[in-house]
Amino acid sequence: DAKTTQPTSMDCAEGRAANLPCNHSTISGNEYVYWYRQIHSQGPQYIIHGLKNNETNEMASLIITEDRKSSTLILPHATLRDTAVYYCIVRVVGNDYKLSFGAGTTVTVRA
Amino acid sequence: KAGVTQTPRYLIKTRGQQVTLSCSPISGHRSVSWYQQTPGQGLQFLFEYFSETQRNKGNFPGRFSGRQFSNSRSEMNVSTLELGDSALYLCASSLTSEYEQYFGPGTRLTVT
Repeated sequence: DAKTTQPTSMDCAEGRAANLPCNHSTISGNEYVYWYRQIHSQGPQYIIHGLKNNETNEMASLIITEDRKSSTLILPHATLRDTAVYYCIVRVVGNDYKLSFGAGTTVTVRA
Repeated sequence: KAGVTQTPRYLIKTRGQQVTLSCSPISGHRSVSWYQQTPGQGLQFLFEYFSETQRNKGNFPGRFSGRQFSNSRSEMNVSTLELGDSALYLCASSLTSEYEQYFGPGTRLTVT
């Protein structure tokens, strides 16, 4: 039972912002939105997470809608090294001990 | 701060053999989780260790086992290898598994 839905793939031009959408219409009040990415044949990399406020770190920004039913991960200036599969998941912080990824979005950054 | 390290990075074994994989977590992290990743099944949880104790376990046969040492380093062992055990084995460390988990590069195991 998928808790999130993401587009299968998307392209982005190098140097431009990449906006990755995620729908989580059944999210519960105590579930956080997490983003990970996985570059081919490497371990997944934690990017960012948030509950209801927008969050920003050195890698990306996370914009969560007011009703929390969807969110957008923003890579401000995409580089070729950002080509990866991006996973959006929801989990209860302090309760869910394991991660489970869906199919994710394959992002290809083109020169 | 150094990241999660896993050794070896690549391994080729024969059916019926056993294998031991090693994981060194981020300094200060006491939780180590192990995952198996394959193209068909995706990311599957194996088990989690916290302070040398197995706290959580996934749905894998008893051939898969693990342990954690007092310095939080962890090993996982797979006995009587099968072809279907070919996968990327990932270790993730965290302060405690219910928070952000940071993954190592993985060990690519090929069983022939």
